[in-house]
Amino acid sequence: KNQVEQSPQSLIILEGKNCTLQCNYTVSPFSNLRWYKQDTGRGPVSLTIMTFSENTKSNGRYTATLDADTKQSSLHITASQLSDSASYICVVSPRNTGGFKTIFGAGTRLFVKA
Amino acid sequence: DTGVSQNPRHKITKRGQNVTFRCDPISEHNRLYWYRQTLGQGPEFLTYFQNEAQLEKSRLLSDRFSAERPKGSFSTLEIQRTEQGDSAMYLCASSQGLAGAHTDTQYFGPGTRLTVL
Repeated sequence: KNQVEQSPQSLIILEGKNCTLQCNYTVSPFSNLRWYKQDTGRGPVSLTIMTFSENTKSNGRYTATLDADTKQSSLHITASQLSDSASYICVVSPRNTGGFKTIFGAGTRLFVKA
Repeated sequence: DTGVSQNPRHKITKRGQNVTFRCDPISEHNRLYWYRQTLGQGPEFLTYFQNEAQLEKSRLLSDRFSAERPKGSFSTLEIQRTEQGDSAMYLCASSQGLAGAHTDTQYFGPGTRLTVL
């Protein structure tokens, strides 16, 4: 069964600190892997998207990595800000589905405290 | 605002009633998706349109659920005879649908929060 598992479930860090969120998936083969940020009560917003042949992608203070051999991805947030408090969701699109039939992880809830 | 919009933002209904939600995608996007999200979980895929054609439906989409995109622009999601288990956030997303692309980014709307009493 295609699954996406994220850890930790929640995380509390101090403003200015770095953190790394993990995503393990069993989807294979896959077309792309994305990280989304979802503020409470809002729709998810895309942060990074990587194809199966890429192993890193950056977007400002966000850097995503992908290891297709171990089926793991991570999202590293540098110099966290209070506005980073949100859920971060890992999403994998299986190949041979047109890349649209996406499988979402449950997310990691990040709290950044002053 | 040229993003994805959804209406209403909140809907409270009694069990057994029918409800309809609307999604207006980004204007040049030909793909449109519906998802359902419950508290503490990631969104679950419900259905997908390429222009006006509904190309994929999840098994989560029971006979009480129907989605349309009659002119390939806005879409509606109707739930008939609502049940308490239907309470969730219903998210709509759209994408350009670049042919053969592996990186077709989906842009999400703010969602419609449904509460079934």
